[in-house]
Amino acid sequence: GQSLEQPSEVTAVEGAIVQINCTYQTSGFYGLSWYQQHDGGAPTFLSYNALDGLEETGRFSSFLSRSDSYGYLLLQELQMKDSASYFCAVMGDGNQGGKLIFGQGTELSVKP
Amino acid sequence: GAVVSQHPSWVICKSGTSVKIECRSLDFQATTMFWYRQFPKQSLMLMATSNEGSKATYEQGVEKDKFLINHASLTLSTLTVTSAHPEDSSFYICSATGTGNYNEQFFGPGTRLTVL
Repeated sequence: GQSLEQPSEVTAVEGAIVQINCTYQTSGFYGLSWYQQHDGGAPTFLSYNALDGLEETGRFSSFLSRSDSYGYLLLQELQMKDSASYFCAVMGDGNQGGKLIFGQGTELSVKP
Repeated sequence: GAVVSQHPSWVICKSGTSVKIECRSLDFQATTMFWYRQFPKQSLMLMATSNEGSKATYEQGVEKDKFLINHASLTLSTLTVTSAHPEDSSFYICSATGTGNYNEQFFGPGTRLTVL
């Protein structure tokens, strides 16, 4: 089977740093992606890790450890607009045309 | 760039009718399109993978005769929900990837289907 585990919800205050963890068990692994989704909207791509290590894109960073089947999304200098659901997703096999398996999502609430 | 549109954005229909949802890549050629379903406060569940010019590949548990997918061109895929029932009410989202780059999927805005 395939499964991805992430916390269901996280609360933080403006300006803080928050880390959303994701562990996965999949039959194949090509890379780990992170997506943001605001209520009623479409998911938007945040980052992708195929290799171990940290990828930084502005206030957002993503980390992957393939040996631990673990990754995280780090959000710095939190803003109110960051309140959204965050999904980790595994691309099981690049030859499958990028098919993604999504985690259940973490609802982030940013308080003033 | 990399814009994906969906039409309609919402639809309400009677039980037993069929509904067609269109997914278009506006500024790139989408070799592969994906269809997802999302229930409130839940994750995106992949329904099928659609490659231009070939039959869609459905995920386990998804009825291919009920959810008809057509990917007739590199910019258009359609999902038809046949004989819709209230339990089919959901948020349907498509995504697309371009030629040779599967690392990032571009999602459409979604279609909210309500079956009465």
